[in-house]
This record gives sequence, structure tokens and C-alpha cells, in this order.
Amino acid sequence: GIQVEQSPPDLILQEGANSTLRCNFSDSVNNLQWFHQNPWGQLINLFYIPSGTKQNGRLSATTVATERYSLLYISSSQTTDSGVYFCASGGNYQLIWGAGTKLIIKP
Amino acid sequence: DAGITQSPRHKVTETGTPVTLRCHQTENHRYMYWYRQDPGHGLRLIHYSYGVKDTDKGEVSDGYSVSRSKTEDFLLTLESATSSQTSVYFCAINPAGGGDTQYFGPGTRLTVL
Repeated sequence: GIQVEQSPPDLILQEGANSTLRCNFSDSVNNLQWFHQNPWGQLINLFYIPSGTKQNGRLSATTVATERYSLLYISSSQTTDSGVYFCASGGNYQLIWGAGTKLIIKP
Repeated sequence: DAGITQSPRHKVTETGTPVTLRCHQTENHRYMYWYRQDPGHGLRLIHYSYGVKDTDKGEVSDGYSVSRSKTEDFLLTLESATSSQTSVYFCAINPAGGGDTQYFGPGTRLTVL
């Protein structure tokens, strides 16, 4: 089955810094999503991005499907960006999730 | 707000007892999912539904069953709970169907002693 690997596993940054999170997936997929889980456990969908580039405020994501990776960019980090970022990949019904990148933004 | 609620939000039970978790949505979306999340892992799909009475297994379905008799409710049952089923359970819906954005409920923390 599909394998999803995320890097780095942990990231600690000062407020205002930029960061890039990576997601590698092992097979061709037609579904790639990025999620943020805040420190209270709530899961928020950030991007549905099986290919191409999307931007939403300070966050943007790029998926290069032919090379089987996706990147999530966070610019000008804020403390509210802290939490775990997951990518999930798969087909129409089943998503396989990576283990996540735990991001801590220090004030 | 995708209008997803889960109940109960917290539950402690004993090994061998049956447990049912409820996911309720207010938007009549066709696709619903049950996941579990364990420390150090992403979410793993337990079961999903693509319509009333239409369900299928995910990657970790052993020990779980589901039912969907109404569009708005998706029930997850642990017939005989075990300590390995201690986890946080998330329900999700997919408004556009199939391959598109999933939205999550608040989660249910289940502890099996």
C-alpha cells in the first residue's frame, strides 16, 4: 500500500521565522491533503492539493505528483501555528496519513 | 463549520464491555469516516461509509463494526473492548465525495482499562 513519510518529525522556531515541511508518498495518488492539529486536538484541513500550488494567507503548498512529494510552507510563523502538521495521501476513499511534523513556535 | 458532533467526548470502560461511539452531521453529506489516532501516529482509517447502509473496511477494522441507518448518523461499535483500543477516535465527513477535503469532528477519547 501507499507509504507516507513526513519530515522533519520535530521543528522548533522563533516567532516570525519561515518553515518548509515535506511529505513524500510512495505511489501515484489522486488525493493529497494537509491538516493542522492544534494543541487542543482539533484537526483542521489546510489544503486539498493533489497537484500544483495553492496559497492561503501565510500558508502555501506545492505538490509535485510526478516526483511524489508535497511541501507545506509557513511564512512569518505565529505562536498559533504550533501543533502537528499531517499530510495524508491516497485515493478516493482511503487516506494514508503520515506520522506528522510537530511544530513549536516560540514567542 | 461542517456541523459534526461526536458523543461521548470522553469514555472510560472496562475490557470486554461493548462500546458505541456516535458521529452526527447536520449537512446530509454522503461520505463519513471513522479514524483512530494513537500517540506518535497519524490517523488510521477504521471504516467508512458512502451512503445509508453502505460501508466498507479501512486499514484497521478488526474488532470494530459500523452502522449507518440514517444519513446523519454513523455509529462505531467495539463489540468487546480491549486495552489496545484505547485511543482517540475521530469522525470525518467529505462534502464533495470521494477524493476531496475531509472535515473532522472534535474526537472521542476512549480509555479501556
